[in-house]
Amino acid sequence: AQKVTQAQTEISVVEKEDVTLDCVYETRDTTYYLFWYKQPPSGELVFLIRRNSFDEQNEISGRYSWNFQKSTSSFNFTITASQVVDSAVYFCALSEGNRDDKIIFGKGTRLHILP
Amino acid sequence: ETGVTQSPTHLIKTRGQQVTLRCSSQSGHNTVSWYQQALGQGPQFIFQYYREEENGRGNFPPRFSGLQFPNYSSELNVNALELDDSALYLCASSLLGRGKETQYFGPGTRLLVL
Repeated sequence: AQKVTQAQTEISVVEKEDVTLDCVYETRDTTYYLFWYKQPPSGELVFLIRRNSFDEQNEISGRYSWNFQKSTSSFNFTITASQVVDSAVYFCALSEGNRDDKIIFGKGTRLHILP
Repeated sequence: ETGVTQSPTHLIKTRGQQVTLRCSSQSGHNTVSWYQQALGQGPQFIFQYYREEENGRGNFPPRFSGLQFPNYSSELNVNALELDDSALYLCASSLLGRGKETQYFGPGTRLLVL
């Protein structure tokens, strides 16, 4: 069965601190895709990144970076030098390679960046 | 912004009523997926429409139904509303047929069932 676990329900850090959001996934497929989405208070899910299971290269985009490790089935997300605007709920998600329909989401981590 | 729009933004219904939610997909996209997000939870897949047909369905009862129109916009219909149907309903559009494509989400419709 496919599953995404975000063990951190809520995190609070002071602005400018670095913060890492954890994500552990389960799937039997060898081909799959992992995502991170941000959900600000407005409710819209904002796409951040998509990685396929064959690409374990870590990625950096500005203050955001992602660490994909197949050996531990983890796809962690780090925000460097956090800002108040980073406050949101962040979802890690999984989609199996042979299906184009559903994305399976974790329960999300609510991130508070304190000024 | 993704270009995916949803209407209405908020809706209040009573138990037993029926509701229709609407979604316009991003330009160039041919697929719409619907998700239900209960308070404090991650979104859960309801179903997906591609070429005006259902292309996959999650674990939701038949009283959740949908349509896709020739212009790729979509409707989600829920009959016999229950209190537990209160949630944020999100639609996402994507382009099927070129391998795995990312789903881009709209702002959602907040439904409250009293």
